[in-house]
Amino acid sequence: EVQLVESGGGLVQPGGSLRLSCAASGFTFSTYWMSWVRQAPGRGLEWVANIKQDGSEKYYVDSVKGRFTISRDNAKNSLYLQMNSLRDEDTAVYYCARDNYYASDYWGQGTLVTVSS
Amino acid sequence: QSVLTQSPSVSAAPGQKVTISCSGSSSNIGNNYVSWYQQLPGTAPKLLIYTNNKRPSGIPDRFSGSKSGTSATLGITGLQTGDEADYYCGTWDSSLSAGVFGGGTKLTVL
Repeated sequence: EVQLVESGGGLVQPGGSLRLSCAASGFTFSTYWMSWVRQAPGRGLEWVANIKQDGSEKYYVDSVKGRFTISRDNAKNSLYLQMNSLRDEDTAVYYCARDNYYASDYWGQGTLVTVSS
Repeated sequence: QSVLTQSPSVSAAPGQKVTISCSGSSSNIGNNYVSWYQQLPGTAPKLLIYTNNKRPSGIPDRFSGSKSGTSATLGITGLQTGDEADYYCGTWDSSLSAGVFGGGTKLTVL
C-alpha cells in the first residue's frame, strides 16, 4: 500500500525557517518524480515544487523561488522541503504527492504550516 | 488568480449529470495532459482522471474526462450526495515551467 506521511509543520514567525519531511513507503520511491502542493486556509490547491527521480531537476512556483528548496534522499525514501524567509502568505497545509503519468496519483494527509507573529 | 479557470460552483440533483470545465492556454492545457482531483471536506485531494481521460483503478466510470484545444471537462453522471466536494483541474505549464491548478469548483448535490 502506498503511503506518504508528512511531518515538520508548525507555528513559525515571519522570516523564520522550517523543514518539512515526507516519508514514503509501499512503492519504489527512487523511480518517481515527487511534488509538494499547498493549500491555504479556505483556498484552492497551489503547486509548490517538484523533483526528478535522481534530484537532477527541480522546479518551483515563482512565489517560493529563492526561498524554498526541494530535495530527496532515495536511500531513506524521503522527500523534503526546506522553507526559509517564511511569509504570512506561506501559511497552508502542505501535501506531499507522488507523480505518475503526468498527475499526482497519491497524496499524504498534509502538514499545517502557520506563519504568524 | 489561478492560471487555469474553473467556475466556482455547480449544483445538480441526485442521479443527474454535471460537467465541470477548466480553461487554460496553449502553454498549459493546449500542450500538456490534464488531470482532475476530488477533495472531500477535510481530506487530501484524490486523483480522479489522468492524461485527460483515464481513470485510476477504483474510480467508477461515472467520472469521465475530456480535452479539446485549451479546455478540459470533467463529467460526473448518476450524481450521489457523496460526490459533494471540491474538484480541481491540474496540468503543467511549459512557459512557467511549473505545475498549475484551477481555482476549484464546489459541487453541491441538491
